[in-house]
Amino acid sequence: GAVVSQHPSRVICKSGTSVKIECRSLDFQATTMFWYRQFPKQSLMLMATSNEGSKATYEQGVEKDKFLINHASLTLSTLTVTSAHPEDSSFYICSAGTGWETQYFGPGTRLLVL
Amino acid sequence: KQEVTQIPAALSVPEGENLVLNCSFTDSAIYNLQWFRQDPGKGLTSLLLIQSSQREQTSGRLNASLDKSSGRSTLYIAASQPGDSATYLCAVRLDSGGSNYKLTFGKGTLLTVNP
Repeated sequence: GAVVSQHPSRVICKSGTSVKIECRSLDFQATTMFWYRQFPKQSLMLMATSNEGSKATYEQGVEKDKFLINHASLTLSTLTVTSAHPEDSSFYICSAGTGWETQYFGPGTRLLVL
Repeated sequence: KQEVTQIPAALSVPEGENLVLNCSFTDSAIYNLQWFRQDPGKGLTSLLLIQSSQREQTSGRLNASLDKSSGRSTLYIAASQPGDSATYLCAVRLDSGGSNYKLTFGKGTLLTVNP
């Protein structure tokens, strides 16, 4: 139980395009989903927290207009990187939970912006 | 601001050896501490979670300890196996009311167990 999937697992795009990453809880309803970014050999950094049906809460320094988060249902949250640039290349990981205390992590999405 | 440091950054040991990974945090007002495993290019698997009132947790060959007052935790792996090779991440949750859902991660320790 408690499986979280992400799609795609890997994406390459051209600079200036937008990329959408999906995070799904497969066998439970996730009232809260978290989006993290991890640069090589660096810590996972929380980008934003989303609760189903409400606006996401972004961490300081994360541009909400660049990283659009939609948590439209209890099993799906999406992260859209708008007008992606090479510096947005990173490993994006989501986690999901029924509350904030227990988080189940997805397998991550590797984004490469050329 | 909470900072989490993990030492060493990388560790290579022969199979069968017992080993210790270290984690330190600057703000001792934590709600809990969690150890994760991350395989290359993969997500995170939770290994052990220690509540702030606990001193240690054990799961199989893994034992995690917590000394909240000194801001330290250790992950002990007994009889290491090549399959233990991965990056081990330490993360803490602050006990700060509305913000205690946030996990602050260390950079991890890359463990290689050689057959």
